[in-house]
Parts: sequence; structure tokens; C-alpha cells
Amino acid sequence: NAGVMQNPRHLVRRRGQEARLRCSPMKGHSHVYWYRQLPEEGLKFMVYLQKENIIDESGMPKERFSAEFPKEGPSILRIQQVVRGDSAAYFCASSPPLFPTYEQYFGPGTRLTVT
Amino acid sequence: AQSVTQLGSHVSVSEGALVLLRCNYSSSVPPYLFWYVQYPNQGLQLLLKYTTGATLVKGINGFEAEFKKSETSFHLTKPSAHMSDAAEYFCAVSDSGGGADGLTFGKGTHLIIQP
Repeated sequence: NAGVMQNPRHLVRRRGQEARLRCSPMKGHSHVYWYRQLPEEGLKFMVYLQKENIIDESGMPKERFSAEFPKEGPSILRIQQVVRGDSAAYFCASSPPLFPTYEQYFGPGTRLTVT
Repeated sequence: AQSVTQLGSHVSVSEGALVLLRCNYSSSVPPYLFWYVQYPNQGLQLLLKYTTGATLVKGINGFEAEFKKSETSFHLTKPSAHMSDAAEYFCAVSDSGGGADGLTFGKGTHLIIQP
């Protein structure tokens, strides 16, 4: 059973460009979470999605950031007009749909560098 | 609002010595508690979790943690450190009370193993 997959693993963008980060959850998982890890910091929750629904986006910056999890295909975290402060590691996690085990399975992360 | 405090951003122990990583939390409801390990440039791997029941929880790689409600603590221990234990360790809390939600992480403790 493949784990959570994220791509790309490394992404370099110039200031003002758009960044698209993709996350494919584990097979059978329909809950997806996005976290951001700044240097020397722990992970900060950004958004929690189920298929075609945003459940909790309390950790998302109000501007430039958006997330989706369509019926088909991976979850996408989109950052428009990136700035240097967006440079971080972005992790995706997934969990099963029913009777949550409270376990979130993490992907390897996408490391975004804004130049 | 829930929060997690990990005392000591860096902990150094000798190979074969006891490992003790400290975690204190605050939560308005009975918490669900987790310890994750992160190796360089990788995602997070679940070491162990506390949801309900027995307060002493055993995890992978010889680690265990004890939930102490009166002290609001969930310290991680291992009787004998191994060189392969060198990594970043994160304590996390969830107060979803039955549903899935984003985890709140501490800032992490970097464990150094001295030969």
C-alpha cells in the first residue's frame, strides 16, 4: 500500500509566481490535511479537506493561499504571487474516512524556495 | 485554544543512556496526544499515540510515553538510546473529541546521540 505522495519534492519559484503543490492520499483515505513547517519551527496546521469540501481552513492565510480536494485526482495547495516568506516545507497528511483512528499519515513534503 | 510546549530544543544523550523528551499541553477537552519523529528531509512518522484507556503507551522503536492528566504532560522515554534515534521529535495534540481535525504541534526537540 503506497503511502502519502507529494510532488514535486522541491519547488523553486521567483517572487510573484504561482506555486502548486500536489498531494495524493493513501489508498482509501478521504481526509487530507496540509501543514507548513518554517525553519526551526514545528508544523502549523493550514487546512483540512474531505472530497470536494473544505472542512476547516482556520490556519490558512487569508490571501494568496487556496486548497482543493476534487472528487478525482490529488489535493492541490495553491499559492499565488509567492513571496520570500512563503519559503518553507509543506506537508500533506491523510486519514481514513470512517471511525477515524486519529492517526494522520504524512507525506515526504514539498520544499518550496522563493527566490 | 490548545497548545503544546516541548522543553529543550536540543537534547543530547550518550548511546545506551535513557532518553527523556518533555511535552506539556493545554487543552479545554480531554486530549488526544501524539509523538512523531522526523528524519532529515523526510516526512513525519508516528511513534505512538494516546486516545483513551491505559495512560502508559508503547510505541515503535522501543519508545513509550505516559499521559499524566494532573501534570498535563506526555513525556517520551526510551530506556537505552541508539545512534539511529538521532532525529527531530514532535509532540502534538488534538482535541477533536471524536472527529478528525488538524493537529497542534510543539516546536520540536532535536535528539543528539553521542557515541
